[in-house]
Amino acid sequence: TQLLEQSPQFLSIQEGENLTVYCNSSSVFSSLQWYRQEPGEGPVLLVTVVTGGEVKKLKRLTFQFGDARKDSSLHITAAQPGDTGLYLCAPTNAGKSTFGDGTTLTVKP
Amino acid sequence: DAGITQSPRYKITETGRQVTLMCHQTWSHSYMFWYRQDLGHGLRLIYYSAAADITDKGEVPDGYVVSRSKTENFPLTLESATRSQTSVYFCASSASGSETQYFGPGTRLLVL
Repeated sequence: TQLLEQSPQFLSIQEGENLTVYCNSSSVFSSLQWYRQEPGEGPVLLVTVVTGGEVKKLKRLTFQFGDARKDSSLHITAAQPGDTGLYLCAPTNAGKSTFGDGTTLTVKP
Repeated sequence: DAGITQSPRYKITETGRQVTLMCHQTWSHSYMFWYRQDLGHGLRLIYYSAAADITDKGEVPDGYVVSRSKTENFPLTLESATRSQTSVYFCASSASGSETQYFGPGTRLLVL
């Protein structure tokens, strides 16, 4: 089983601030998915990163996949209250998926 | 409606009772998953299914039973509910085991 570590566990910031959350493993990911879960709902896929060193942007969100494919980061620029939620990472496996415990982000207006 | 649905959305039961949570998807996805989410944890995989009549254990399968006689349905049964099974249960589906998982809205289960 691939162990995932997400940090920080909790993050509370003011609107307009920047932040970065991390997803790390001792194993190599074939590819990695980031999901966001809003309160009371199921997770929704944000992005899949596949290639070592890859950077993907989704509006104010920037996802980076480490060169060695063992870690990934999510950077949010000028956070907004609508970014509030639980951010989860998950390596892609054929069926037996594993999610990290996530980072709970609260953005205060 | 198209998509993935779960029922019931909320359930209160007592210790020792059998409970079945339903999951239905309309995309004909091959893979379906059951997760539980507890406070302070992410999602933990209970069982998954790669196709009709094919199921496999996840990380925390004890106390749960699944079946998949039809591609679109994947019910989860708690044979004898315990308080430790109080949780939010999410069902998900995907076209393949490594593609996007689409999650249902969750079932909030309280075992008294």
